[in-house]
Amino acid sequence: EVQLVQSGAEVKKPGESLKISCKGSGYSFSSYWIAWVRQMPGKGLEWMGMIYPGDSDTRYSPSFQGQVTISADKSISTAYVQWSSLKASDTAMYYCARRDGYKVFDFWGQGTLVTVSS
Amino acid sequence: EIVLTQSPGTLSLSPGERATLSCRASESVSSSYLAWYQQKPGQAPRLLIYGASNRATGIPDRISGSGSGTDFTLTISRLEPEDFAVYYCQQYGSSPRTFGQGTRLEIK
Repeated sequence: EVQLVQSGAEVKKPGESLKISCKGSGYSFSSYWIAWVRQMPGKGLEWMGMIYPGDSDTRYSPSFQGQVTISADKSISTAYVQWSSLKASDTAMYYCARRDGYKVFDFWGQGTLVTVSS
Repeated sequence: EIVLTQSPGTLSLSPGERATLSCRASESVSSSYLAWYQQKPGQAPRLLIYGASNRATGIPDRISGSGSGTDFTLTISRLEPEDFAVYYCQQYGSSPRTFGQGTRLEIK
C-alpha cells in the first residue's frame, strides 16, 4: 500500500528555521517525483515545487523559488521542505504528494500544519 | 503561468441532482493535461480525474470530466451525500503547475 506520512504540526516564531518531512512507503520512492503543495488557512492549493529523489532534480514554482528549499534522502525514502527564516505568512497546511506516471498527484500525505506566530 | 478560473465559486444543490463545475484556462492546456481533485474538510485532496476525462482508480462513473483547450468541465450526474466538498482543477502541462481557486459544492 502506497503511503506518504508527514511529520507533525509545528509552532514557530518569525525568523526561526524549520524543516518538515514526508516519508514514502509501499513503492519505489526513488522513481517518482514528490511535490509540495501549500494551503493557507481557508484558501486554495498552491504548487510549491517538486523533487525527483532518484537524482535530486528539483523544480520550483517562481512564487516559492528562493523562499524554501526542497530536498530528499532516497536512502530513507524521505522528502523535505525547509525554511531558513519563517514569516507569519508561511502559516499554512503543507502537503506532499506523489506524481504518478500520468503526471498527476495520485497519493497525498496527511498534511503538516505550520503555524508561525510571535 | 496558466491561470485557471473555476465557476461558480459555490454551488448549492440537493442529493440526486446533477452538478456541473467549470474550469477555464488563460491559455490552452497542452495535451489536455487537466486534473480534478476533491477535498473534504480536514482531509488531503483526492485525485478524481486526469487527462481531462480519465477517472482515477476507484472513482465512480457518475463522476466524469470533459473538455479541451481552455474549457473543462467536471460533471457529477447524481449527487450523493459524500460528494459535497470543494473541487479543484489543476493543469500539469506547463510549469509552474497551477490550481484553480476551487468550487465549493454545498447541500441546498
